[in-house]
Amino acid sequence: GAVVSQHPSRVICKSGTSVKIECRSLDFQATTMFWYRQFPKQSLMLMATSNEGSKATYEQGVEKDKFLINHASLTLSTLTVTSAHPEDSSFYICSASTPGDSGDEQFFGPGTRLTVL
Amino acid sequence: GDSVTQMEGPVTLSEEAFLTINCTYTATGYPSLFWYVQYPGEGLQLLLKATKADDKGSNKGFEATYRKETTSFHLEKGSVQVSDSAVYFCALTGGFKTIFGAGTRLFVKA
Repeated sequence: GAVVSQHPSRVICKSGTSVKIECRSLDFQATTMFWYRQFPKQSLMLMATSNEGSKATYEQGVEKDKFLINHASLTLSTLTVTSAHPEDSSFYICSASTPGDSGDEQFFGPGTRLTVL
Repeated sequence: GDSVTQMEGPVTLSEEAFLTINCTYTATGYPSLFWYVQYPGEGLQLLLKATKADDKGSNKGFEATYRKETTSFHLEKGSVQVSDSAVYFCALTGGFKTIFGAGTRLFVKA
């Protein structure tokens, strides 16, 4: 199946700093990438949908100025958590999809655990 | 709007027991249905999928059948192993957005 990578897998930062998370589709071109946030023992919450070359579409309640998403190419999307605070600590997961006969399947990255001190 | 409802966990079973995790959905149109599995500290992996009514998805001994009449996609396995301990998410995709259930944690004891 298609492979999606995320980098870094874990990051610890101080409050007030910015953190960038990369999501790459390794063996296919992803026209659309999704960013999710997962709190401990909870389901995934969709944060935003990004299409290559256009602005991301954010879900209600997600601050677009705090969670900056860039989808500059068909294989790379980045999520930047700006001025991170302890409440931003979470597990961030990206997924990628591409039009085709995969039945709307999304391919997930392994996730990035962010801890803000 | 579209939604997915899963049975609450945790579910605790002994090795070789039969597993059922219930999943029902509401959706307009004809969504694709998925089961994903998440092992501790990892991202989600696709377990199986079904794209139309009466399709049966299967993988690694797990099965689920897309039942349009009951709007269900229950996950089953005849004999679970300790290595099946994980969180299982039912999901649907319709209109290009994926909706996840709350997840069901499974513990399998040796």
